[in-house]
Amino acid sequence: EAGVAQSPRYKIIEKRQSVAFWCNPISGHATLYWYQQILGQGPKLLIQFQNNGVVDDSQLPKDRFSAERLKGVDSTLKIQPAKLEDSAVYLCASSYGAGGYSGNTIYFGEGSWLTVV
Amino acid sequence: DAKTTQPTSMDCAEGRAANLPCNHSTISGNEYVYWYRQIHSQGPQYIIHGLKNNETNEMASLIITEDRKSSTLILPHATLRDTAVYYCIVRTDSWGKLQFGAGTQVVVTP
Repeated sequence: EAGVAQSPRYKIIEKRQSVAFWCNPISGHATLYWYQQILGQGPKLLIQFQNNGVVDDSQLPKDRFSAERLKGVDSTLKIQPAKLEDSAVYLCASSYGAGGYSGNTIYFGEGSWLTVV
Repeated sequence: DAKTTQPTSMDCAEGRAANLPCNHSTISGNEYVYWYRQIHSQGPQYIIHGLKNNETNEMASLIITEDRKSSTLILPHATLRDTAVYYCIVRTDSWGKLQFGAGTQVVVTP
């Protein structure tokens, strides 16, 4: 079974430029997550989709970050304009269902490494 | 939300069992305990999860105390490839997100 695919793997941009990350979840997974992981810290949830609807974006900096999942499969996370503090790994994850009480395992991709200079 | 407390770091000798503790004293009755690990430069990897009973799979064993306020992840025969940050997470809300803490840095030495 194919895992969660992410691209690009690495990206270096200058501050105030824009960047987009793409994620293809495991086939059949309705729930998709984007996490941000700053060096030395645990991942922090940015946004969670259930099919193509947003169920949690409380920690997404909406003035510069946006995400979409138009057809309920692939997703794109965009940052515009980027700041130095956005340097991090952006992790995409997916699970079959959304229920935290049902033991649905969440699987992660390898991440997209962003450096803002 | 239920929080977890883990030691910052621990060392383990190769071939020995590694016992990773986690405290989650405010856990609710229907909340699961999940363990993930993250090897450098990779995404988090699922290890095991449990609700009340002890669980075992090909990677590890999970021991949950009867009052569910703490748990222990056991890697039965640690190898150098088990060097990683290990996260203990209580899956808290109905939408199933994982909230990561700082985790335990485990270093397996020859």
